[in-house]
Amino acid sequence: QKEVEQNSGPLSVPEGAIASLNCTYSDRGSQSFFWYRQYSGKSPELIMFIYSNGDKEDGRFTAQLNKASQYVSLLIRDSQPSDSATYLCAVNRSGGGADGLTFGKGTHLIIQP
Amino acid sequence: DTGVSQDPRHKITKRGQNVTFRCDPISEHNRLYWYRQTLGQGPEFLTYFQNEAQLEKSRLLSDRFSAERPKGSFSTLEIQRTEQGDSAMYLCASSLAHGLVTEAFFGQGTRLTVV
Repeated sequence: QKEVEQNSGPLSVPEGAIASLNCTYSDRGSQSFFWYRQYSGKSPELIMFIYSNGDKEDGRFTAQLNKASQYVSLLIRDSQPSDSATYLCAVNRSGGGADGLTFGKGTHLIIQP
Repeated sequence: DTGVSQDPRHKITKRGQNVTFRCDPISEHNRLYWYRQTLGQGPEFLTYFQNEAQLEKSRLLSDRFSAERPKGSFSTLEIQRTEQGDSAMYLCASSLAHGLVTEAFFGQGTRLTVV
């Protein structure tokens, strides 16, 4: 069973601080990794993706990938109350013509004003 | 708005009834996916299409579920003889498959409640 693991939280971070969200995956064949944000009752919204080892920055967000450790993370700098949401880590499904994503259960992030 | 559109947004049905959901993807996207999400869980992959061809179905998808994408544009997901365990958010996503990374964008979802 190919899995994506996330700490469900809640993760509480003061406003203005850095929020760090982590994810591990089991399928070594996975090549691309995604972070989605989901507000309560809403659908997932793509924040960013990464496919090369190292860091990728987009505004206040930085994704980090370490394929050797099968580890992906998302850093949110200068956290705002509007960042409070569930963050879903997703990994591309690989092999045999498979497509689509395998998601973790998500980490519930709370930014405290 | 040229995003992914799903209809209806909410559906309440009695156990044993059939329901059908519709998804209109982003117009230039050739891949379309269906997922199911229950409370406290991430979305679970159900099936995907490339153009009109259904290329994969999850083992989660029982025989009561069927999906079509007849002209490679909109898609429908039908659930026959609904059960209470079918209550969930049904999410549709679309993407333009190219290169290493395929970014998928989700619709607003259809929330199904089986009573």
